[in-house]
Amino acid sequence: DGGITQSPKYLFRKEGQNVTLSCEQNLNHDAMYWYRQDPGQGLRLIYYSQIVNDFQKGDIAEGYSVSREKKESFPLTVTSAQKNPTAFYLCASSLAGGSPSYEQYFGPGTRLTVT
Amino acid sequence: SQQGEEDPQALSIQEGENATMNCSYKTSINNLQWYRQNSGRGLVHLILIRSNEREKHSGRLRVTLDTSKKSSSLLITASRAADTASYFCATDGKAGGTSYGKLTFGQGTILTVHP
Repeated sequence: DGGITQSPKYLFRKEGQNVTLSCEQNLNHDAMYWYRQDPGQGLRLIYYSQIVNDFQKGDIAEGYSVSREKKESFPLTVTSAQKNPTAFYLCASSLAGGSPSYEQYFGPGTRLTVT
Repeated sequence: SQQGEEDPQALSIQEGENATMNCSYKTSINNLQWYRQNSGRGLVHLILIRSNEREKHSGRLRVTLDTSKKSSSLLITASRAADTASYFCATDGKAGGTSYGKLTFGQGTILTVHP
C-alpha cells in the first residue's frame, strides 16, 4: 500500500520545546516537501528536498530545520525559535523536483498545538 | 509572495448544479495544478494543465487555462454532496526567466454542496 505517512496526527507541546514531525514515503519519489497551513489559508512552503542529502529553504523556513538522510524520510523539526508554531503541517512528495513540476502526493497532516 | 488567488472564497450550491471556481496568477507559469482538500485532511491532486494547453477534462472536472489573462477555472459538473471540500490552485511559476518548479498555492475556494 503506497503512500505518505505522517505521525503523529495530533501533537501538543509546551512553548520553548523543539518538536520533530515525521514524514515517510514508499513511493520511491526523489522530491519531498513540507508545507504549513493556517486556518482559512493556503499552503506555504517551509523546506523542500529534490534529492537525498540536499534540501533548500522555502518561503517560511525561519524557525524550522529538516534533514534528508534517506530517500524515504524527511523529518521536520519545529524549533523554539519559531514564533507562532501552532498550525497544520503537511508533507508531500513528487516523482522529481525541478521544473516543470510534477503532481504532489500529500500525507494526512500533523496538527501541532503549542501552548 | 502569493501566486494563485482563487475566486470565490466560498461557494454554496445544491446537488446536481455545476460549480465553477477561478484562479488568477501573476507571473508566467510552466503548469497549473488543482487540488482538493477535505476538512482536516491532506490534499489530493485533481488535474494538471500545462501552459501550452487550453482545456483538460477528467471525469466531471473541466479545467481551462488562459495564459493571456493569467487565469484558470475549474468546473465541477453535476455536483454531489461528496464534492464538499476546499479546492486549491497551485502554480509552477517562472521567476526572472528561470524555472524553479516549486508550487505556490492560492488560499482556496470552500465548496459546499447541499444534498
